[in-house]
Amino acid sequence: AQTVTQSQPEMSVQEAETVTLSCTYDTSESDYYLFWYKQPPSRQMILVIRQEAYKQQNATENRFSVNFQKAAKSFSLKISDSQLGDAAMYFCAYRRRAGGSEKLVFGKGTKLTVNP
Amino acid sequence: DAGVIQSPRHEVTEMGQEVTLRCKPISGHNSLFWYRQTMMRGLELLIYFNNNVPIDDSGMPEDRFSAKMPNASFSTLKIQPSEPRDSAVYFCASSQRRTGSTGELFFGEGSRLTVL
Repeated sequence: AQTVTQSQPEMSVQEAETVTLSCTYDTSESDYYLFWYKQPPSRQMILVIRQEAYKQQNATENRFSVNFQKAAKSFSLKISDSQLGDAAMYFCAYRRRAGGSEKLVFGKGTKLTVNP
Repeated sequence: DAGVIQSPRHEVTEMGQEVTLRCKPISGHNSLFWYRQTMMRGLELLIYFNNNVPIDDSGMPEDRFSAKMPNASFSTLKIQPSEPRDSAVYFCASSQRRTGSTGELFFGEGSRLTVL
C-alpha cells in the first residue's frame, strides 16, 4: 500500500522568509500524481500545487514550488516570501494515475505558523 | 461553477441517533470520495465511488457506517447508531475520470459531526 510521510508536525517561519516542508512517499508505481493541499482554519481543503511523476521539471505556482526527487521518493514544498495568509495545515498527498479514478492518500500534515 | 456541496455544515447529536451526511459532487465529475478527519488519525478515506458504483469501502469503520450514491449528483453517508468516537469532520470530494485529467480532488467544506 502507498504511504505518505510528513516528518514535521509543526513548522514556523517569519513573514517574508522562505520555508520548506518535507514529504516522502512509498510506492511501487511509476505513474502517479503528487499534491500539496492547504487547510486553513476555515477547514476548506485547497489545492496548492500538483506534480505529475512523469514530468522531470519541478512544478511552480507563484510563491510555491516543489522539489520532486522521484528516485528518492521525496516531494518537498517551498514557500517563498511567506505571508500571514499562508498559515495553515499543509498536507502532502499521493494518487496513483491509473485511469484517474484512484483514491488520494494523505500524510498526517504539517502545521505552518507565520510570525509577523 | 458550484463546487462540491455538503450538508449539514455542523451536526450535533446524541449517542445512538442516526446521522445522515449529504454530498452533491461537481457536475460532470464521475468519482466521489468520502474522507474522515480527526486529530488522532488525520485524513482517512472511508469509501469511494466511480460512476455511482462503490469501488473501495475498506475504510468504512464498521457496519454502523453505510454510503450510497443513487445517481451522479448525490451521495449520502449514514451512521446508525452514532457513537461519540464518530465525532470528526467528514469531507466529500469529487474528481473527473478521463484521459488528461489533472488528477486533483475537489473538496467540499466538510461536515463537522459531534456526537454527545
